[in-house]
Amino acid sequence: NAGVTQTPKFRILKIGQSMTLQCTQDMNHNYMYWYRQDPGMGLKLIYYSVGAGITDKGEVPNGYNVSRSTTEDFPLRLELAAPSQTSVYFCASSKVAVNTEAFFGQGTRLTVV
Amino acid sequence: GQQVMQIPQYQHVQEGEDFTTYCNSSTTLSNIQWYKQRPGGHPVFLIQLVKSGEVKKQKRLTFQFGEAKKNSSLHITATQTTDVGTYFCAGGSNSGYALNFGKGTSLLVTP
Repeated sequence: NAGVTQTPKFRILKIGQSMTLQCTQDMNHNYMYWYRQDPGMGLKLIYYSVGAGITDKGEVPNGYNVSRSTTEDFPLRLELAAPSQTSVYFCASSKVAVNTEAFFGQGTRLTVV
Repeated sequence: GQQVMQIPQYQHVQEGEDFTTYCNSSTTLSNIQWYKQRPGGHPVFLIQLVKSGEVKKQKRLTFQFGEAKKNSSLHITATQTTDVGTYFCAGGSNSGYALNFGKGTSLLVTP
């Protein structure tokens, strides 16, 4: 019963490098989300997806890209990493948009130096 | 757009004291959810409130949803050290696809 799985758990990037944060869920949820969490700032939505092949921007999408080729996977791509992207990233999924509980992954702690 | 404000940002209590965190939305919500995040952990769902004026209890935790469906509160009676963490409210709207999270209230409980 894995739920939402994120990899890696920790990563240090140099400025200008790129990476992909992986997220997969085994609950057959249509809705998936990427949030970033900065100290004292709560959770800010980066991108979300309402189903395979459909993605849309959230509150803070600049510097990120996503894709949703399958129901299970929702990777987040960082191109040209910047120090401002140092954060903890959470992937989440839900069965029915905002009216059911969201299940969160363990998070990825990213540092850009 | 919809904004969800949460106060206080921090609360430090002695074990056994009560604790309350408040959540206010700029717009009417379809539902409100509460999550708890332990230090170093990820947000975990606690409860969802849907009806106007709804009150739900989970042991020492009492959750309320306002009559206008714009505000909510979480009250913990007789806190324990296991209550330590950050409590987030998250509002849903009928026109949105993602929850809008408040900034959270970090609770510290000292024995």
